[in-house]
Amino acid sequence: GAVVSQHPSRVICKSGTSVKIECRSLDFQATTMFWYRQFPKQSLMLMATSNEGSKATYEQGVEKDKFLINHASLTLSTLTVTSAHPEDSSFYICSARDPFGGAYEQYFGPGTRLTVT
Amino acid sequence: TQLLEQSPQFLSIQEGENLTVYCNSSSVFSSLQWYRQEPGEGPVLLVTVVTGGEVKKLKRLTFQFGDARKDSSLHITAAQPGDTGLYLCAGGETSGSRLTFGEGTQLTVNP
Repeated sequence: GAVVSQHPSRVICKSGTSVKIECRSLDFQATTMFWYRQFPKQSLMLMATSNEGSKATYEQGVEKDKFLINHASLTLSTLTVTSAHPEDSSFYICSARDPFGGAYEQYFGPGTRLTVT
Repeated sequence: TQLLEQSPQFLSIQEGENLTVYCNSSSVFSSLQWYRQEPGEGPVLLVTVVTGGEVKKLKRLTFQFGDARKDSSLHITAAQPGDTGLYLCAGGETSGSRLTFGEGTQLTVNP
């Protein structure tokens, strides 16, 4: 089955610094990847849609200058949280579509726990 | 914006009991997916339903897509402690589009 990895799994950073999270599709090429944010005991909130070779599409209320997304290849998308603040602490999850797999499925990475101190 | 209402939000049952989780919307979805998520991990896809009235079975789990493609249900028979987790329904508007997630159902199956 389609496998998506994320790195790092956990990261702690100081307020004001930037953090980069990587999302990779391991056994398929993904033209579209999605970035979600999840707070404890809550559902997933879509932050942005990442398209290979073009600019990401951000959901309403998500600051594109704070959450930088780069989808430079068909197997890698990165999310950079710039000038992180404690309120950015959350569980960040990416997903990817396999264009040659099912038409609707998204496959999720294991998530990255970000803690900003 | 399409919304998915999931119920119940929390469910705590004894091993061996049956349960049903519901996912409802006023909007039509082209597909409906169910995921299960454990703490600290990403959601794992359980099933995708795309045809109105479709029923899919996965061992003790039965998934149904409403005739009008606005609602879905997940039924678990003889629940086991290993079924414990957060169950999420997600609707797709068109093929390849983003997913709209329900609020989730936190299931706890006590031994």
